[in-house]
Amino acid sequence: AQSVSQHNHHVILSEAASLELGCNYSYGGTVNLFWYVQYPGQHLQLLLKYFSGDPLVKGIKGFEAEFIKSKFSFNLRKPSVQWSDTAEYFCAVIESGYSTLTFGKGTMLLVSP
Amino acid sequence: DTGVSQDPRHKITKRGQNVTFRCDPISEHNRLYWYRQTLGQGPEFLTYFQNEAQLEKSRLLSDRFSAERPKGSFSTLEIQRTEQGDSAMYLCASGANGLAPQYFGPGTRLTVL
Repeated sequence: AQSVSQHNHHVILSEAASLELGCNYSYGGTVNLFWYVQYPGQHLQLLLKYFSGDPLVKGIKGFEAEFIKSKFSFNLRKPSVQWSDTAEYFCAVIESGYSTLTFGKGTMLLVSP
Repeated sequence: DTGVSQDPRHKITKRGQNVTFRCDPISEHNRLYWYRQTLGQGPEFLTYFQNEAQLEKSRLLSDRFSAERPKGSFSTLEIQRTEQGDSAMYLCASGANGLAPQYFGPGTRLTVL
């Protein structure tokens, strides 16, 4: 069965620090990849997605992610975080031919002002 | 607001009672998904519909759970004879088709006493 691993459960950063959240998946075939974000008190929102093409994808609010097929990874990055980026971040995968998302356990990011 | 809506937002019930949740997807979306999220975990897939047809059910969906989407619009998720282990956030998402991103509602938080 497909699984998604997020390396850190909690990350604490100061404003303006750079961010990289790790995500690895287990399926060896074609996948569609997603990062979702959940701000405090809000519902899950799509941050960015990768289906095909350029492995470096850009999302909302200055976030980007890089798909590295050989490493089964889809790490999320942001060069300079803001206090408003405090949220929980979820990596998710859909295997080719399927329609259901498999999520990682999430990473809680706390940005201190 | 044209996003996914769920009702109720919170439900507290006693063990053994039946509960029903409702999800209204984005109006033009054919796909409707149910997920469950417990503390410290990412959302886990339960079931999904293509229009009114229920196409897939997770092994997590025991026979106490039933979902319907009678007219291909809103959906209901019923849990019979609730157990304390059913306490979770129940999330609904919708998408235009199988490859489209899924957009999530605010969830229904169920507490079984």
